[in-house]
Order: sequence, then C-alpha cells, then structure tokens
Amino acid sequence: DAKTTQPTSMDCAEGRAANLPCNHSTISGNEYVYWYRQIHSQGPQYIIHGLKNNETNEMASLIITEDRKSSTLILPHATLRDTAVYYCIVQDYGGSQGNLIFGKGTKLSVKP
Amino acid sequence: NAGVTQTPKFRVLKTGQSMTLLCAQDMNHEYMYWYRQDPGMGLRLIHYSVGEGTTAKGEVPDGYNVSRLKKQNFLLGLESAAPSQTSVYFCASSYTYLGPVVRINEQFFGPGTRLTVL
Repeated sequence: DAKTTQPTSMDCAEGRAANLPCNHSTISGNEYVYWYRQIHSQGPQYIIHGLKNNETNEMASLIITEDRKSSTLILPHATLRDTAVYYCIVQDYGGSQGNLIFGKGTKLSVKP
Repeated sequence: NAGVTQTPKFRVLKTGQSMTLLCAQDMNHEYMYWYRQDPGMGLRLIHYSVGEGTTAKGEVPDGYNVSRLKKQNFLLGLESAAPSQTSVYFCASSYTYLGPVVRINEQFFGPGTRLTVL
C-alpha cells in the first residue's frame, strides 16, 4: 500500500503557483520523498526528491516539514502543460529494490 | 540518447495467446522495472531486475515472466494472455550510487505499451 495521502484533484489558474500537498506521517528516517508526474497516459516523469531539507530544481520546489510527516510540491508558475497526475512517493534509499509504490496521486488541472 | 524505449506501442491479443514486450535503455542503468497501470489507478510493479542475469517478483507477478540477458534489455513475457492482463505496461530503469549507503536514484520511464486481451 502507498505510504502517502494526497488530495484526489486540484485546480490552479495558469501563471499562478500550484501547491500540491502530501501527507506521509509514517515516514521513517531512511526514506526519501519523491515526486513524479504523469501527463495524459505517458510514462511517469521524475520531478524532484528530498530527505529533510527543502529542495529546488528547474521544475519545482519541495518543502518538507521539520517533522517530515508532510511535504508540499510547488510549481511556481503553472502552465497548461503542467496539467497531469502528480504522485508523491516515499522510498527507502537503503533498500535493494528501489521500486516505487504509486498511489492514485493528485490530478492537477491548470486552467486558463 | 534515446532513454527508455518500449516495443511494441500497441498490441491486441486473443485469450491464450503469448507475446513478449521488449524494453531497452541506453543509459547503462543497473536497475530495470516492469509496471502495469489499469484505468484510473497508479502503477503496480510486476517484476524488476537489479542487474544482468537477475530478476525478482514485484507486487503483481502472476501470469508474467521476465528475463534480463543483457544489461540494456528487459523482456516481459505473457505465456497465456487473459483479459485481466489488459492494461498499459511501463518499463523503467534507474541507477544506484554504490557506497556506504546504496542510493537508488530516480527512475526513467518508457512511453508504455497498450495491450488489449480479447
């Protein structure tokens, strides 16, 4: 079972910031938080990951609470092309499998 | 650099027929995975491989077999297709940082194979 809880859907106006929340209250010390997105039945695409510090790359920012029980993915200026299902996943970086356990994710709709 | 490619893109089978899905990656990744995605659902892991010549079962392995004879290829086989195997199949690959702590990095996914079993 997925170790995360996400809202089923969210809307965002084009050009505004999209803030996607994720709850992972049972996360353990050796687990990272990963975010992927899937645009209209394409293969999932990696966005960002973090352990306990906030992270930023060219696609998004990841804010992780101090207790690590929740996080927020921020798309600073959402465009129509950001419409997708966003998956928040926790993964044990010390494990030998590396497989991702996907939940149902959040369907983000960016509207003009 | 093609990344992860999958062959074929679409396929229709009759119940009981067999087929093999091919996944190829040109990134020299150690780890490779096969997932399936049913409508409105997240991805579920079928089988995976941590290196050439090794395979292991994932969450939903029944009815599938895999082989990793070459590092760059990961094959998924259906010996006797059933309608319940109608799905979209995604292959992925990733690499690891080997050191005091094994670190498995982000996965790169292929475009998917849409399989219908009648």
